[in-house]
Amino acid sequence: KQEVTQIPAALSVPEGENLVLNCSFTDSAIYNLQWFRQDPGKGLTSLLLIQSSQREQTSGRLNASLDKSSGRSTLYIAASQPGDSATYLCAVRGSARQLTFGSGTQLTVLP
Amino acid sequence: NAGVTQTPKFQVLKTGQSMTLQCAQDMNHEYMSWYRQDPGMGLRLIHYSVGAGITDQGEVPNGYNVSRSTTEDFPLRLLSAAPSQTSVYFCASSSTGSRNTEAFFGQGTRLTVV
Repeated sequence: KQEVTQIPAALSVPEGENLVLNCSFTDSAIYNLQWFRQDPGKGLTSLLLIQSSQREQTSGRLNASLDKSSGRSTLYIAASQPGDSATYLCAVRGSARQLTFGSGTQLTVLP
Repeated sequence: NAGVTQTPKFQVLKTGQSMTLQCAQDMNHEYMSWYRQDPGMGLRLIHYSVGAGITDQGEVPNGYNVSRSTTEDFPLRLLSAAPSQTSVYFCASSSTGSRNTEAFFGQGTRLTVV
């Protein structure tokens, strides 16, 4: 059974700092990995999708990497802003197209 | 762009009542799924469907029922609500043209069972 772990569970940083969120998974036989953002009381917003054949994907200040063989992904946020405060979730897609989620990292960026 | 639409946004039920959570998508996606989100436990898959007329169980299916009569709609039925079903429910959809596809989520239904 696939298990996804996100460390740390919570992170607080001052504005302007670069930061890295970690995601690890136990079964490397994945089709893709997706990072989401969730604001309090809201739904999930897709940030980046990395296909199993890719090593990284970039969107603006966000960069996600994937090392399938070691079962790890990182989400790098450059020059963090208070508006980046949210919970970040990673999810891996395995067989039958099912997504398995981590528990998320709650990020607070202090002004 | 409507994307994935869930109704209602909030619902309070009494123990033993039944109800249906609605989910509709306008992207012609074959794959749809339901998740529940509980504090500290992430999102867990309840049921999913790979196309009209085809459904299957996920990780936590007990107490829930689904059907898929059209590509657009994938309702989730609570047969006899229990306090353990208090949660936030999310519906998602994605294409099955390739397995490397992006999942889109609705805004969620916050359910309280008293």
